[in-house]
Amino acid sequence: QKEVEQDPGPLSVPEGAIVSLNCTYSNSAFQYFMWYRQYSRKGPELLMYTYSSGNKEDGRFTAQVDKSSKYISLFIRDSQPSDSATYLCAMRDNAGNMLTFGGGTRLMVKP
Amino acid sequence: DGGITQSPKYLFRKEGQNVTLSCEQNLNHDAMYWYRQDPGQGLRLIYYSQIVNDFQKGDIAEGYSVSREKKESFPLTVTSAQKNPTAFYLCASSFGRYTEAFFGQGTRLTVV
Repeated sequence: QKEVEQDPGPLSVPEGAIVSLNCTYSNSAFQYFMWYRQYSRKGPELLMYTYSSGNKEDGRFTAQVDKSSKYISLFIRDSQPSDSATYLCAMRDNAGNMLTFGGGTRLMVKP
Repeated sequence: DGGITQSPKYLFRKEGQNVTLSCEQNLNHDAMYWYRQDPGQGLRLIYYSQIVNDFQKGDIAEGYSVSREKKESFPLTVTSAQKNPTAFYLCASSFGRYTEAFFGQGTRLTVV
């Protein structure tokens, strides 16, 4: 079993929909959580960075961490075709060990 | 503009050759990383460096080598010992061990 699991998709939604992307993890020591967006043939771009549990909002994006369930989510409101990309979750533990990535979820937003 | 620059964007290598991928950052970050990404897969850590003149192996270091002579630079050499080098290589950096990482735009290496 991988340390971080992510449904590979593809997830196809109509423009304007609310998108929910999720990751589950097994290591209870993870404390720092990140979401990256990666367009085809490009490097990942950091979208959200959160510490421990709770919610964080930035524009149309909301990151949610539920440490008791070992589950993190990224919500995208009013999704746009330009949101079509692969979304990667990543996490770090308190010892500052290396980032552990999920395999990514491919999102397609159709006009 | 601050950022991470990887070069070249595309690289072709003949079997048996070593090639070096460049990664430069002007973000004043202490830590730098190299990842490999294969189609449909997540990122796998090759090497990382927390400070100048020090680096550690990641999960898939065999067939790769790095150096960290300057804070700004962390080149990756893909040696002929790497059995399956064709992949997308990503360099990243962070201020330290507890902060988020930022990525370059990647180098796509193809063995011909």
